[in-house]
Amino acid sequence: GPKVLQIPSHQIIDMGQMVTLNCDPVSNHLYFYWYKQILGQQMEFLVNFYNGKVMEKSKLFKDQFSVERPDGSYFTLKIQPTALEDSAVYFCASSQGQGGSYEQYFGPGTRLTVL
Amino acid sequence: QQKVQQSPESLIVPEGGMASLNCTSSDRNVDYFWWYRQHSGKSPKMLMSIFSNGEKEEGRFTVHLNKASLHTSLHIRDSQPSDSALYLCAASKASNTNKVVFGTGTRLQVLP
Repeated sequence: GPKVLQIPSHQIIDMGQMVTLNCDPVSNHLYFYWYKQILGQQMEFLVNFYNGKVMEKSKLFKDQFSVERPDGSYFTLKIQPTALEDSAVYFCASSQGQGGSYEQYFGPGTRLTVL
Repeated sequence: QQKVQQSPESLIVPEGGMASLNCTSSDRNVDYFWWYRQHSGKSPKMLMSIFSNGEKEEGRFTVHLNKASLHTSLHIRDSQPSDSALYLCAASKASNTNKVVFGTGTRLQVLP
């Protein structure tokens, strides 16, 4: 089936540093998302992105967070500066169409550890 | 703020048994319900979706939806140890936003 790739699988950084999480969405998908999951529990929506713009973001999407997809390359989540509470698994997802009836396909996640 | 509540938090069933998981949305404007399965250390995979009142069956899995009560349930018959996972219910709307709200999850353990 369709695959979403994420790089790296695990990232360890010191608090205050910048980190960029990379996502390679399904090739014909146009809508992209980031989710945050702590300790294998609830999956929490961060942001969705279409046509170069943020469509919607949650309260978890702090000012230190930013997303972009320059020139159709990776869809990235940047955190600058990082905080201890940013430690989590971050999942990227993509979907083909607009509207809540389109399935979202998830990547394998990036485990971020902030020391 | 829209919430999706799942129960029970955890569930243990014997191999071959029936597992029943519940999910309710607090937002009356949701249109679609999804069930995802997430094995430990893996990404969520969509198991089943249901958009209309009633029942939908795929193999050992059956989902029910009651739109009036915004309640959906997932039933797994003849449960297998490989079904052991975190089951996430999610809800979304038929609007321009693609936002999906996930529930708190039910951790299922099937004992051999």
